[in-house]
Amino acid sequence: SQQGEEDPQALSIQEGENATMNCSYKTSINNLQWYRQNSGRGLVHLILIRSNEREKHSGRLRVTLDTSKKSSSLLITASRAADTASYFCATDAPGAGSYQLTFGKGTKLSVIP
Amino acid sequence: SQTIHQWPATLVQPVGSPLSLECTVEGTSNPNLYWYRQAAGRGLQLLFYSVGIGQISSEVPQNLSASRPQDRQFILSSKKLLLSDSGFYLCAWSATGRSNQPQHFGDGTRLSIL
Repeated sequence: SQQGEEDPQALSIQEGENATMNCSYKTSINNLQWYRQNSGRGLVHLILIRSNEREKHSGRLRVTLDTSKKSSSLLITASRAADTASYFCATDAPGAGSYQLTFGKGTKLSVIP
Repeated sequence: SQTIHQWPATLVQPVGSPLSLECTVEGTSNPNLYWYRQAAGRGLQLLFYSVGIGQISSEVPQNLSASRPQDRQFILSSKKLLLSDSGFYLCAWSATGRSNQPQHFGDGTRLSIL
């Protein structure tokens, strides 16, 4: 069954604006990861946040995690046309093999130049 | 540095024909290996994963099988393809024996069944 669910399904913004994507999940997790997928390509790992962390930064990316609400958000600041892609959250689960991830359906981000 | 190769990039096959997709990883030893399928506009469905040579776990009942004949080689196969096997197939690897590891993906194979 799908663990993570991204929201919104699609997002269109102007270059330079910030983009926020949300992910909700249903069961306890060890960590949550965000991935990016350009059209027709494989996924690229962006950032991993552990269940005992609340916020993490990497360049123009900021990820938050609220385990009480079982939700995470990905913020991309000062967006660029090259950020156009689909973004997926992925969760593992305690008790599952540490190598198994469950992916959401993704948010399709379009950044208009 | 580690790299993952997946081929072919696209494949068109008739219903009932066999399938073999290959994935190889370079620059790491004893990786965990994964096969996923992605339907159009959807997330990824884990099909198989492997933690070592000859060790294959299947996540969903299906028309496909997987094998790992060498440490860094992962093969997805079918004896007779169905229309429902169409999709985008992705291979991935992660470091073994450690939790909280990212997965690294190949560029996928787009499989169309006619």
